[in-house]
Amino acid sequence: GENVEQHPSTLSVQEGDSAVIKCTYSDSASNYFPWYKQELGKRPQLIIDIRSNVGEKKDQRIAVTLNKTAKHFSLHITETQPEDSAVYFCAASWTGGYQKVTFGTGTKLQVIP
Amino acid sequence: DSGVTQTPKHLITATGQRVTLRCSPRSGDLSVYWYQQSLDQGLQFLIQYYNGEERAKGNILERFSAQQFPDLHSELNLSSLELGDSALYFCASSVVEDTEAFFGQGTRLTVV
Repeated sequence: GENVEQHPSTLSVQEGDSAVIKCTYSDSASNYFPWYKQELGKRPQLIIDIRSNVGEKKDQRIAVTLNKTAKHFSLHITETQPEDSAVYFCAASWTGGYQKVTFGTGTKLQVIP
Repeated sequence: DSGVTQTPKHLITATGQRVTLRCSPRSGDLSVYWYQQSLDQGLQFLIQYYNGEERAKGNILERFSAQQFPDLHSELNLSSLELGDSALYFCASSVVEDTEAFFGQGTRLTVV
């Protein structure tokens, strides 16, 4: 089955700096890669996603890149703000009929004011 | 508010007992997913239903079972509960299987 590895497990950055979280996946059939943000005590919320036919996607301060050959994808947050502090989960999924989503173990991001 | 409703929000029960967690998906969503999140752990996919049929299974224990009813709400049944089953259980729903999944607020289960 699919295996998703996520690094780092914790990340501290100064406000205004950039943060990068990396994930690798094992199943070359995976074709959908969402990223979720989970604030303390709250539900995960999708912040950005990318499909395998696209190499990069950007939404304001957030961007995701995908390297299908190397089977890794990354989340980039620029100009970090204290409200970006949360746990971020990457995930990989094959959507060819049966969607079984495999999540990474999460990255706890702390933005220091 | 994601539109996904989970009940109850909190549940405390004893070892060996059985509980049922309920999930009402967003209006129009056909796909329901169940996840388990233990303390300081990631999200573990348990099972997925699509329009009443089981579609995918993750690391769901045999003591756990789920179903999706004709009105599309879903229930997760946990039996012979153990201390290690204490966790936050999330339900998520999506319109079809390859679109964004919206999570409910979760049910926090504590087994004592």
